[in-house]
Amino acid sequence: SAVISQKPSRDICQRGTSLTIQCQVDSQVTMMFWYRQQPGQSLTLIATANQGSEATYESGFVIDKFPISRPNLTFSTLTVSNMSPEDSSIYLCSAGRAFFGQGTRLTVV
Amino acid sequence: DQQVKQNSPSLSVQEGRISILNCDYTNSMFDYFLWYKKYPAEGPTFLISISSIKDKNEDGRFTVFLNKSAKHLSLHIVPSQPGDSAVYFCAASANDYKLSFGAGTTVTVRA
Repeated sequence: SAVISQKPSRDICQRGTSLTIQCQVDSQVTMMFWYRQQPGQSLTLIATANQGSEATYESGFVIDKFPISRPNLTFSTLTVSNMSPEDSSIYLCSAGRAFFGQGTRLTVV
Repeated sequence: DQQVKQNSPSLSVQEGRISILNCDYTNSMFDYFLWYKKYPAEGPTFLISISSIKDKNEDGRFTVFLNKSAKHLSLHIVPSQPGDSAVYFCAASANDYKLSFGAGTTVTVRA
């Protein structure tokens, strides 16, 4: 099993600014992922965070908007850049398929 | 394009009775299916999974059934308890660990 600590748990940000979300796993994991849950919707995969290489983004998501770092096998960050109110969502990281962080509730005003 | 569908947005069940949650998928490449439970302000918690080589998997009060020909799976919770009140997500993956999620079913267990 793995325990994932994600922070911040919530934030309210001004439009045009950026927020970096951190995800720390208590053991080494090969695969980490970032998901978004928009209000009233399901979880959508943003990207796969690859250790030692660039993240792999899903259709509709681009690196300039959601840059991701994966410096080692226990840590990853997701930045939401140049935010607009449409970015207001819950952002979640996961390790493998079974383990998720508690999520970051982002509100952009 | 929603590849995993949960057509019932909500389910209300009496405590002690069976809860049955349904999920349909369209991608025949999916080979692994999972159910998650989610409380507000928390991340999804893994409940149970099933590989496409099986048609049933059981873990305590939770049983998942897979019907590959119908591209349908279901989660049975028996007996339902008040702590089971949450949103339940069905998810699927194909040869990798990337997950496609359904829209979720909100379960309310009545005392």
